[in-house]
Amino acid sequence: GESVGLHLPTLSVQEGDNSIINCAYSNSASDYFIWYKQESGKGPQFIIDIRSNMDKRQGQRVTVLLNKTVKHLSLQIAATQPGDSAVYFCAENGGGNTPLVFGKGTRLSVIA
Amino acid sequence: DAGITQSPRHKVTETGTPVTLRCHQTENHRYMYWYRQDPGHGLRLIHYSYGVKDTDKGEVSDGYSVSRSKTEDFLLTLESATSSQTSVYFCAISVEGDNQPQHFGDGTRLSIL
Repeated sequence: GESVGLHLPTLSVQEGDNSIINCAYSNSASDYFIWYKQESGKGPQFIIDIRSNMDKRQGQRVTVLLNKTVKHLSLQIAATQPGDSAVYFCAENGGGNTPLVFGKGTRLSVIA
Repeated sequence: DAGITQSPRHKVTETGTPVTLRCHQTENHRYMYWYRQDPGHGLRLIHYSYGVKDTDKGEVSDGYSVSRSKTEDFLLTLESATSSQTSVYFCAISVEGDNQPQHFGDGTRLSIL
């Protein structure tokens, strides 16, 4: 729970604004990416995924953008709500049949 | 929810004692994983399983062993717990090993004194 949040970069946004959370991935061979949300005291929750043959994918209030040229992934949350407050982190598959590698995460804090 | 149950949810024990954590799934997924989560490190893979009796090491496997005798259960054992193994442990499952999302349990908070 709270121990997960130590030492993490924090993004603070006003309720109703859009949020953009960024992730730089390391392995150019990675061809599958996932965003997770983790609330205090809970396990990571799958939000959305994207494969490398796409550069954009939309879900409910969320959009993931993939820029393979600069190895960058972003998660956009529309009309951010207090319930969106959590730690968000990305994961990449490293290419091929290898386990996922997780980023360290960003804490999103929504100001009411 | 993904049908994953971790037990116990919290445990406090002493250095040198054996500890076993259990992950139980009701999804009949082939792959199961054990991670630890520590401040400043994010999620790190300990061991994973790609079928009954088929397991492999992850990034931080030293001091841990696993067993999977049934599809639905994946056990993580600390043979002789050390204070450095104090952490939050998460189990995850996936249908296949790559290009599939993993779904996580709610974790076990383990403190070793």
